[in-house]
Amino acid sequence: DTAVSQTPKYLVTQMGNDKSIKCEQNLGHDTMYWYKQDSKKFLKIMFSYNNKELIINETVPNRFSPKSPDKAHLNLHINSLELGDSAVYFCASSQDSPGRETQYFGPGTRLLVL
Amino acid sequence: AQKITQTQPGMFVQEKEAVTLDCTYDTSDPSYGLFWYKQPSSGEMIFLIYQGSYDQQNATEGRYSLNFQKARKSANLVISASQLGDSAMYFCAMREDNRDDKIIFGKGTRLHILP
Repeated sequence: DTAVSQTPKYLVTQMGNDKSIKCEQNLGHDTMYWYKQDSKKFLKIMFSYNNKELIINETVPNRFSPKSPDKAHLNLHINSLELGDSAVYFCASSQDSPGRETQYFGPGTRLLVL
Repeated sequence: AQKITQTQPGMFVQEKEAVTLDCTYDTSDPSYGLFWYKQPSSGEMIFLIYQGSYDQQNATEGRYSLNFQKARKSANLVISASQLGDSAMYFCAMREDNRDDKIIFGKGTRLHILP
């Protein structure tokens, strides 16, 4: 009964490779997000999608491309990985309606670029 | 200017004592929400408590309460009767209702509960 799931949980790869991280939510939420948490634990939003439409696109290199095939999925594809991309990437979702709009997070994907 | 400020990078508290984690925020929007998340060493982000800017009463969820002082723009998290399992990173976050769904996080406070 996992609410927000991400795969893989760990990802170790060489510089220059292309990789994808998948996220799925079974909460029926309309909005999904990707966050990056750096080595100092600082969490910063990267993207937000509402009903498959891009809402937030922070200053993120073009090598990062989110893809939302349906509102329950938001995948993150990263081209030409660099050392600085090493971080924990969190997917989250929220119900887009007035009220608490709490974001529920996935378990995170720990990416290490060698 | 930082939107969310958590001034305590680390705290040590004796088990069973109450602990207050500080958070101040900066916004000109009249409508916003404030959140606290817990991140244990396992890495997941766990939602703890929410306070809306128009809520008249301070939010409470079990041992967690949010000391919301709107005029001072502070939203401190109070954990009563701390337990060893409360040792974790704690993040304060804010959502400005006129700025899409973006939530901005503070830098976190690492809480250590001592036996």
